[in-house]
This record gives sequence, C-alpha cells and structure tokens, in this order.
Amino acid sequence: AQSVTQPDIHITVSEGASLELRCNYSYGATPYLFWYVQSPGQGLQLLLKYFSGDTLVQGIKGFEAEFKRSQSSFNLRKPSVHWSDAAEYFCAVVAGEYGNKLVFGAGTILRVKS
Amino acid sequence: EPEVTQTPSHQVTQMGQEVILRCVPISNHLYFYWYRQILGQKVEFLVSFYNNEISEKSEIFDDQFSVERPDGSNFTLKIRSTKLEDSAMYFCASGSSGAPGANVLTFGAGSRLTVL
Repeated sequence: AQSVTQPDIHITVSEGASLELRCNYSYGATPYLFWYVQSPGQGLQLLLKYFSGDTLVQGIKGFEAEFKRSQSSFNLRKPSVHWSDAAEYFCAVVAGEYGNKLVFGAGTILRVKS
Repeated sequence: EPEVTQTPSHQVTQMGQEVILRCVPISNHLYFYWYRQILGQKVEFLVSFYNNEISEKSEIFDDQFSVERPDGSNFTLKIRSTKLEDSAMYFCASGSSGAPGANVLTFGAGSRLTVL
C-alpha cells in the first residue's frame, strides 16, 4: 500500500534561512505527489504537484520540490524563509491507479524565528 | 479563485447526536471527497463520491456515516450517532477529473467537530 513518511515532526528555522522539508513515499509505479500547507485555522492549500516530466517543480510562494525516484523522495525547499511561512506542511501521494484518494504524511510543523 | 466552502466552521455536539457537515464544491467539479484529521494525527481519506454514488470509502467510513449530494451545489457528510472518537477536523475536497494525473483536489477550510 502507498505510504508517505515525513521524518521531521517539527522544524525551526530563522527568517531568511533556507528550508528543506523531507518526504519519502512508498509506491510501485510513478507516483503523483503533492505538497500542501495548512496555516492555523485554514484549510489545505496546494503548494505544488509532481505528475510527470521535469523532476524539479516550482510552486507558489517561492517553494520548489524535487522528485528523486532513486531515493523515493519528494523534498520541499525554499531558499529564504519568511515569517509568514510558519505553518504545517503535508506531503501526499495519490493512492491507486484510479481516482484521487490521497495518502498524507503526518505533517511537519515549521516554526520561523526572527 | 474558486474555492470549496464548508459549514459550519466549528460544531460542538453531544455524543449520540446526529451531525451534518455541509460543503459547496467548486461549481464545475464532478468528484467529491471527505477527509478527516484527528488532532495530532494524519489527514485520512474517508470517502469519494462521483455521479451520485460512493466510488470508494475507507474502513473508517462505517454505517454511521453517509454522504449525499441533495442538490446541484451541496455535498454533505452525515454522522448518524456521534461518538467521542469522531471529534476531528473534517475536510471536503473537490476535483474536476477522476484521472490521478489530470487532477488536483481543492480543499475547503474544514469543519471542526467536537463531540462531548
């Protein structure tokens, strides 16, 4: 069965520093991968997705992620973090060949210190 | 930008009561979903709905749960007799396609259910 692992429950970075959030997936075929962000009291907002093609995908708010099949990873990066990036970040993969049931990771809470 | 709207944002209910959570998906979307997130845990799939019927449901989605699209705009989740463990944030999502590589789900802001 498909699964997603986000090894880091909490990460704290200084404003202006770079960020990398880790995501590993378990899936036999080419996965469809997503990163969502959830700000306090808000819903899940899509940051970016990988379906196929270029393994480096750009998203909103200056985020990017790189799909590495050899490492079964889809890590999220941002070169310079802003205080408004403090939120919880979820990696997700489409489960199954049909439909759009998403399997989510446990999430990583990002704290930004000034 | 089109959005998925959920009501209520927060509901408190007594154990054993019926609860209906409402969602207005994006107007041209045809695929609808409910997910839930128990505090401190992962977001979990509950059910998917297409063409007025359930297309897939998880083990969580037992006989206490039902979904309905009563008109052309609303999509509801009913919990018939709530239990303490139903306390969670419930997210509605909609999508325009059923093909995994051709679709992105749009999520609502969630409905927080507290069962006392």
